Amino acid sequence: KAGVTQTPRYLIKTRGQQVTLSCSPISGHRSVSWYQQTPGQGLQFLFEYFSETQRNKGNFPGRFSGRQFSNSRSEMNVSTLELGDSALYLCASSLLAGGPYETQYFGPGTRLLVL
Amino acid sequence: GENVEQHPSTLSVQEGDSAVIKCTYSDSASNYFPWYKQELGKRPQLIIDIRSNVGEKKDQRIAVTLNKTAKHFSLHITETQPEDSAVYFCAASQEGAGGTSYGKLTFGQGTILTVHP
Repeated sequence: KAGVTQTPRYLIKTRGQQVTLSCSPISGHRSVSWYQQTPGQGLQFLFEYFSETQRNKGNFPGRFSGRQFSNSRSEMNVSTLELGDSALYLCASSLLAGGPYETQYFGPGTRLLVL
Repeated sequence: GENVEQHPSTLSVQEGDSAVIKCTYSDSASNYFPWYKQELGKRPQLIIDIRSNVGEKKDQRIAVTLNKTAKHFSLHITETQPEDSAVYFCAASQEGAGGTSYGKLTFGQGTILTVHP
């Protein structure tokens, strides 16, 4: 099976712009979680989607949003970019959510640089 | 919410030695504890995980132990090799709890492991 894929792999944006990142989960996986990874804060949970519904959200401002499509692919959007949004954005998929098979498999990430 | 502390932040060993990384968690409801290895510029990869119904799990040179009473778990790597050099993350979650637990792993800050040939 193909692993989790993310596009684009690298992005450079300027402050005030917005950005959309995409994540395709492993085939058959229905839950997609997003994380932000920075040297200072480590890996932090952004949100989780299952069956096109956001079921959980971390402590990030409303500028961070996402959605999931009927094929389980997910996108996250960051509006009004700030310098501090520079990070590696990782998505992870899992087979079932809420059950004993929540092992998460990560994509390669999108590295976002905000200038 | 859950808080995971990981120690040490850096660990340097000689090839063939053992390495131990320790994590403590704060929420007694956490029941799933994965460990991820992240090589430079690559994705975190699951190397082993343990659920709270067992105290120890082993996979070749890697083992994880869990002490629910003390709320800590550890990763043990034996016979280390240079290719074990990477950043290791522990994490905790509450499988099956729903609500604010859906899809959420709480990570430790990571341990940079360097294995010298």
